[in-house]
Amino acid sequence: QTVVTQEPSFSVSPGGTVTLTCGLSSASVSTRYYPSWYQQTPGQAPRTLIYNTNSRSSGVPDRFSGSILGHKAALTITGAQADDESDYYCVLYMGGGIWVFGGGTKLTVL
Amino acid sequence: QVQLMESGGGLVKPGGSLRLSCAASGFTFSDYYMSWVRQAPGKGLEYLSYISTGGTTINYADSMKGRITISRANAENSLFLQMHSLRVDDTAVYYCARLRQGNYFDYWGQGTPVTVSS
Repeated sequence: QTVVTQEPSFSVSPGGTVTLTCGLSSASVSTRYYPSWYQQTPGQAPRTLIYNTNSRSSGVPDRFSGSILGHKAALTITGAQADDESDYYCVLYMGGGIWVFGGGTKLTVL
Repeated sequence: QVQLMESGGGLVKPGGSLRLSCAASGFTFSDYYMSWVRQAPGKGLEYLSYISTGGTTINYADSMKGRITISRANAENSLFLQMHSLRVDDTAVYYCARLRQGNYFDYWGQGTPVTVSS
């Protein structure tokens, strides 16, 4: 069974920079998994932030960026703001019409 | 603008069935793959199923395979998820999401809650 791993929680100071990661239990994450990232605040639908590793979705501020760092996908938030406090999910496309979500990272801005 | 609106959720007894709908607007529905994703209370997102533009290619995640059927009616701009043999652990908010470039979810509905309880 494929497991996509994310840090359960992370904390960043306002104005600071934070990098959240997305790994695979059994392999390195590469662009071939088309990593994407989603932001979700409680009670709301997810919002698409990043797709195809590092492409920003329409309307997403450029303080959000995606990359591959080592053997994981990464979401970096530069100049964190209070309203960035959310849950962040990565998704990897495994091919054959199968997507696997990570467990999500709860980001606190304080 | 792109809008996805789910409906059909509610309270159902274990072993029961439910049919969810997703009404799409603001784009040419028949041009896009569509999907269903769910989120159990306090838990993360979980991919369930996708369907190709014409409905000829379908896939299901293992978690609900055999108990769900995805379908679409392009003439009605609608996506469906038929669920049966529901269990308590199927309690979740069910989202429909549009797929883009065949590999990521670009628009999401607001979700419809399903509660499975006796």
